[in-house]
Amino acid sequence: IAGITQAPTSQILAAGRRMTLRCTQDMRHNAMYWYRQDLGLGLRLIHYSNTAGTTGKGEVPDGYSVSRANTDDFPLTLASAVPSQTSVYFCASSDGGRSTDTQYFGPGTRLTVL
Amino acid sequence: GQNIDQPTEMTATEGAIVQINCTYQTSGFNGLFWYQQHAGEAPTFLSYNVLDGLEEKGRFSSFLSRSKGYSYLLLKELQMKDSASYLCAVEDSNYQLIWGAGTKLIIKP
Repeated sequence: IAGITQAPTSQILAAGRRMTLRCTQDMRHNAMYWYRQDLGLGLRLIHYSNTAGTTGKGEVPDGYSVSRANTDDFPLTLASAVPSQTSVYFCASSDGGRSTDTQYFGPGTRLTVL
Repeated sequence: GQNIDQPTEMTATEGAIVQINCTYQTSGFNGLFWYQQHAGEAPTFLSYNVLDGLEEKGRFSSFLSRSKGYSYLLLKELQMKDSASYLCAVEDSNYQLIWGAGTKLIIKP
C-alpha cells in the first residue's frame, strides 16, 4: 500500500441497505477525514478524526457514522442508505490535527443509492 | 453563512496565462488552499497561503489578500495536462476546511 486507499471503487446500493466504505492509509498520519463531493457543490466534510480513538462531526454528518480504532483505518458507515447519499466519497488524511496540514486524498468511492 | 465563490468554468489557450479567482466569507481565517482535481480523480495539493502576498511555485502562483477576502491562482505557460478543476478552500476558525465548488479549466490547443 502506498498512500491512502479506499474500497470499493464504486457501488450500487438499494435504499435501506447498510454500507461501509473503507479507508486505509500507510503514512502514519494522525488526522483523517471523510468528504462527499456532489456536482456543483464543494467538498463537504462528513466526519473527521484528529487522532486514533477520537472522532468529530463535520458539516453533513446525519446518516453517517465513523470509527477510528487505530491510526491506519477510518471506515464510514451508512446505516440505512437513502438516494440523497448518492455521491462520490473521498477519504483524506493529514499529518497533524489541523487543516493547515496538507490533506492527501484517496481515489474516491462512487456510490449510487437506488 | 460561510461562502466560497469561484467561476464555474474557464477556457484558455495552450501556452497562455490564466488567473482563477476565489472570494470568501468565512467565520475566521486560518489559511487558504488551492487543490487540483483531474476528472475522475482525487484532489491534489497545489498551494497554501496564510499571509498576504504572492507565493510562487514553478508555473503556478497563488495570491492572497485577507482584507479583501480574495485569492487567485495564476497558471503560466499552460499545458494540455493543466485541464482540470481547481478547488479553493479556506480553513475557518474551527480549523475545518470550507471548499468552493471548483473552477473547471479547459485548455484548447
